[in-house]
Amino acid sequence: GAVVSQHPSRVICKSGTSVKIECRSLDFQATTMFWYRQFPKQSLMLMATSNEGSKATYEQGVEKDKFLINHASLTLSTLTVTSAHPEDSSFYICSARDSRGPNYGYTFGSGTRLTVV
Amino acid sequence: QQQVKQSPQSLIVQKGGISIINCAYENTAFDYFPWYQQFPGKGPALLIAIRPDVSEKKEGRFTISFNKSAKQFSLHIMDSQPGDSATYFCAASKTSGTYKYIFGTGTRLKVLA
Repeated sequence: GAVVSQHPSRVICKSGTSVKIECRSLDFQATTMFWYRQFPKQSLMLMATSNEGSKATYEQGVEKDKFLINHASLTLSTLTVTSAHPEDSSFYICSARDSRGPNYGYTFGSGTRLTVV
Repeated sequence: QQQVKQSPQSLIVQKGGISIINCAYENTAFDYFPWYQQFPGKGPALLIAIRPDVSEKKEGRFTISFNKSAKQFSLHIMDSQPGDSATYFCAASKTSGTYKYIFGTGTRLKVLA
């Protein structure tokens, strides 16, 4: 089945620094990937839709200058949290779909736990 | 119109019992309804999904029941096991365009040994 690899799984950074999270589709090409944020014991909150070769589409209330998304190839999307602050600490998850087949389900990465100190 | 309401928020079931989680949607344009299972510290994993042309889909111990007229769907876990203890999310989406999932709020299931 489709596999989405997300790296790193955990990262601790100092306040004011930037952190990059990678999301790769290992065995399929993904023209669209999604980035989510999840707070403890809560549902997934869609942050943005990452489109290969074009600008990401951000959900209302998500700062595009703070959460930079780049989808430079059909297998890689990156999320960079710029000038991170403690309130950015969260669980970030990406997802993608293999558009070649009839399966409409999205495969999720294993998530990245970001802690800003 | 875009909400998906999920209940219960938490559920405790004895080993061997049936776990039932319910979801209701509003947008009649939705035509894909997946269920995801999430363990702590992990990303969600697709469990089972259904489209509105069928009323039920079964995969092993997991069954989705779908009621199009009521705009409701549910997940049934038969013979629940301690290993099923996780958070379950329902979702709804369209299958045209760049379809985004609308997730339910999640159900924390605990299966007692």
